[in-house]
Amino acid sequence: EPEVTQTPSHQVTQMGQEVILRCVPISNHLYFYWYRQILGQKVEFLVSFYNNEISEKSEIFDDQFSVERPDGSNFTLKIRSTKLEDSAMYFCASSDRSPQDTQYFGPGTRLTVL
Amino acid sequence: RKEVEQDPGPFNVPEGATVAFNCTYSNSASQSFFWYRQDCRKEPKLLMSVYSSGNEDGRFTAQLNRASQYISLLIRDSKLSDSATYLCVVTGGSYIPTFGRGTSLIVHP
Repeated sequence: EPEVTQTPSHQVTQMGQEVILRCVPISNHLYFYWYRQILGQKVEFLVSFYNNEISEKSEIFDDQFSVERPDGSNFTLKIRSTKLEDSAMYFCASSDRSPQDTQYFGPGTRLTVL
Repeated sequence: RKEVEQDPGPFNVPEGATVAFNCTYSNSASQSFFWYRQDCRKEPKLLMSVYSSGNEDGRFTAQLNRASQYISLLIRDSKLSDSATYLCVVTGGSYIPTFGRGTSLIVHP
């Protein structure tokens, strides 16, 4: 069964550094998403991406964040100048042809900012 | 008012019990409704979509009440493996999904 993959599974970084989280969505899916979940809190939508551009973004997704689809398979989330409060689990997801379709989540990247 | 509210639980039930969770949402224009399951430190996985007519998948039944703006999930004949956090997800016209904080279920022998 096709699945969303994410790397790395755990990223530790120093405050102020930049990190890039990587995702490989399911191959024939057209919509891609990033979410974050701070420990003990709810899953929060960050951004959705379709046809090589951002389709929706939340208030959390400010200038510190950017997304990119550098090639035909990868989908990345870049976090610049990381802060302690960026420590969270970051989930990538993809859906087939519509944002109303089922979203399949990757296993997540745990980001720890020291 | 929170956009999507769930009773955090935990609901602690014996195997074989029937348990029901409710979720309320504040945006009357919401269009799509889902229940996801999340195991500890794992990714959310779709359990079932929720349709206006209600739907059933084995031991799981989901209902939507648009007038009262809530959805429900009923689990019959609970198994130990049902222990998890159940997330209510609501999507509005902007297609931005809003997650509830989840309801924790513990099924014990």
